[in-house]
Amino acid sequence: GAGVSQSPSNKVTEKGKDVELRCDPISGHTALYWYRQSLGQGLEFLIYFQGNSAPDKSGLPSDRFSAERTGGSVSTLTIQRTQQEDSAVYLCASSQGRDRLIFSGNTIYFGEGSWLTVV
Amino acid sequence: AQKITQTQPGMFVQEKEAVTLDCTYDTSDPSYGLFWYKQPSSGEMIFLIYQGSYDQQNATEGRYSLNFQKARKSANLVISASQLGDSAMYFCAMRDAGSSNTGKLIFGQGTTLQVKP
Repeated sequence: GAGVSQSPSNKVTEKGKDVELRCDPISGHTALYWYRQSLGQGLEFLIYFQGNSAPDKSGLPSDRFSAERTGGSVSTLTIQRTQQEDSAVYLCASSQGRDRLIFSGNTIYFGEGSWLTVV
Repeated sequence: AQKITQTQPGMFVQEKEAVTLDCTYDTSDPSYGLFWYKQPSSGEMIFLIYQGSYDQQNATEGRYSLNFQKARKSANLVISASQLGDSAMYFCAMRDAGSSNTGKLIFGQGTTLQVKP
């Protein structure tokens, strides 16, 4: 597609329920990232997928968080047994191929985010 | 460890004037890239400008320019001729060669810019 697409755009869930957030990256982008942004805060890295390589899960805050990427394209971030502190905007981003820092064209493009509220 | 610092939580600027948003960074890797993103109230992160550590000249993109001072490890964003639509939160971010294999961008805490008419 033209840009990174995320769904749902807004989700209100009860504490203890599981939620799934979906990300559809820009066509042809092999790298996909999930970030979390709490109210008024900066972005916190969660997980990174690059092609068929093992994902970098170093940013996942607990084992309640998991993500998968099927067919090298769409990704799903799952939060199990949601807690109120999970309330945040979850941003997905994608970029082309392996990072080549000297090439400014390898920019990370973000979706509009999924706003999660746990009540 | 990599770190990005934005010391200005909020800034005001008069319409049509220029404004500088500060960003300092810390990395031990000689190869890195610096990014600025704009986040309006809608929440989308909009890429503005990129500076590579080996770039000889400061990056410019329209009204945006990056004042890159490598020795000071600073990468300030300059917005010229501010417009009301520039009101947003601005994030500085960095990725170094060590994190390029993981793709991780490290973000600062952001600066909220308000443009006054």
